Amino acid sequence: NAGVTQTPKFRILKIGQSMTLQCTQDMNHNYMYWYRQDPGMGLKLIYYSVGAGITDKGEVPNGYNVSRSTTEDFPLRLELAAPSQTSVYFCASRGGTGVNEKLFFGSGTQLSVL
Amino acid sequence: GNSVTQMEGPVTLSEEAFLTINCTYTATGYPSLFWYVQYPGEGLQLLLKATKADDKGSNKGFEATYRKETTSFHLEKGSVQVSDSAVYFCALAKETSGSRLTFGEGTQLTVNP
Repeated sequence: NAGVTQTPKFRILKIGQSMTLQCTQDMNHNYMYWYRQDPGMGLKLIYYSVGAGITDKGEVPNGYNVSRSTTEDFPLRLELAAPSQTSVYFCASRGGTGVNEKLFFGSGTQLSVL
Repeated sequence: GNSVTQMEGPVTLSEEAFLTINCTYTATGYPSLFWYVQYPGEGLQLLLKATKADDKGSNKGFEATYRKETTSFHLEKGSVQVSDSAVYFCALAKETSGSRLTFGEGTQLTVNP
């Protein structure tokens, strides 16, 4: 089972460059999320989506954009990379029902902006 | 707003030692509480959860009890193993659905043989 797949695993960007972090899930989940994890900090929600065509901002959306054209894919776009965006990025989807409901996380993308 | 505070790490223990990782929260109403674990090089995985006061979540020998009177959800394990070395995150969600999680800062646990 593939679950939630993120690419790339590592990336180094120069200030001002742009890139897209890819996230895909094969579990037919409607809800998907992007989090960033900074050293010594908990995960912060960047954007989330409740289904194809619907996205909304989380706690820290500035400098990012997302789209959700299909149920499977939820890419995160950085248009003008800044050093403050150096972080580990996690994509997640929500599955299960009732007491079995939980988030499924990808393995993360480590991004450095220099 | 909602917040989660975990004990500062890192925590280093010997195999078979008793583990406690403290977690307290601030939230209105009745949030659901979670512990997630992140093994090296992997994404987070749900370890256990509790959805109402006095509930006890348990999994893989880990336990945590939802204490509303002390707004706490401390993680415990009676005898840790080297394979338990990971980062542990406490989290809460206002809805029982588990979406829109608010995470603590994480606690790094290292268990030595």
